[in-house]
Amino acid sequence: DAGVTQSPTHLIKTRGQHVTLRCSPISGHKSVSWYQQVLGQGPQFIFQYYEKEERGRGNFPDRFSARQFPNYSSELNVNALLLGDSALYLCASSLGWSAYEQYFGPGTRLTVT
Amino acid sequence: ELKVEQNPLFLSMQEGKNYTIYCNYSTTSDRLYWYRQDPGKSLESLFVLLSNGAVKQEGRLMASLDTKARLSTLHITAAVHDLSATYFCAEESPYGGSQGNLIFGKGTKLSVKP
Repeated sequence: DAGVTQSPTHLIKTRGQHVTLRCSPISGHKSVSWYQQVLGQGPQFIFQYYEKEERGRGNFPDRFSARQFPNYSSELNVNALLLGDSALYLCASSLGWSAYEQYFGPGTRLTVT
Repeated sequence: ELKVEQNPLFLSMQEGKNYTIYCNYSTTSDRLYWYRQDPGKSLESLFVLLSNGAVKQEGRLMASLDTKARLSTLHITAAVHDLSATYFCAEESPYGGSQGNLIFGKGTKLSVKP
């Protein structure tokens, strides 16, 4: 079975631009969570979507938004990029809304110049 | 404020030695997770501890959970170079906007030298 997939693997953007990151969960999983990991730090929770509705939100500005599609894949959007948005963005999927048996994808490395 | 504190943050060990990484967390959560991360890679799940007194072992790593003390430990026995990585503990948030999701510590960067 395929694991959690994310695209793109890497990308470079300029300050002020917009970016969209994509995540496909494990087949059958209905929950997708997004985390941001700045270099040298632990991952920080951004959003969770469960059954296509926002179930949780971390302490991130409104420039960050997300959505989940009918096939349970998800997009994370970041507007007006700042240098501080440079990070590894991790997507995790799980069957239910709990972190139990949550599987992480390979991540998208975003560099903002 | 939900907070997870790990120590030490950096650990340089000699092969064959034993050491323990400590993880203190702030809530009454009874779910604690340990992950390994290699440079430039994603997170690899090591252990999920689901109740007070839980102990799990895999190879040279053993994790335990004391929910009353809000403390989890990751014990390394007879370290080998392949264990060099960054280790994260994370508690499952029991309430608020992050309920059910993970609050991570800053990580312990482990370097095992011959």
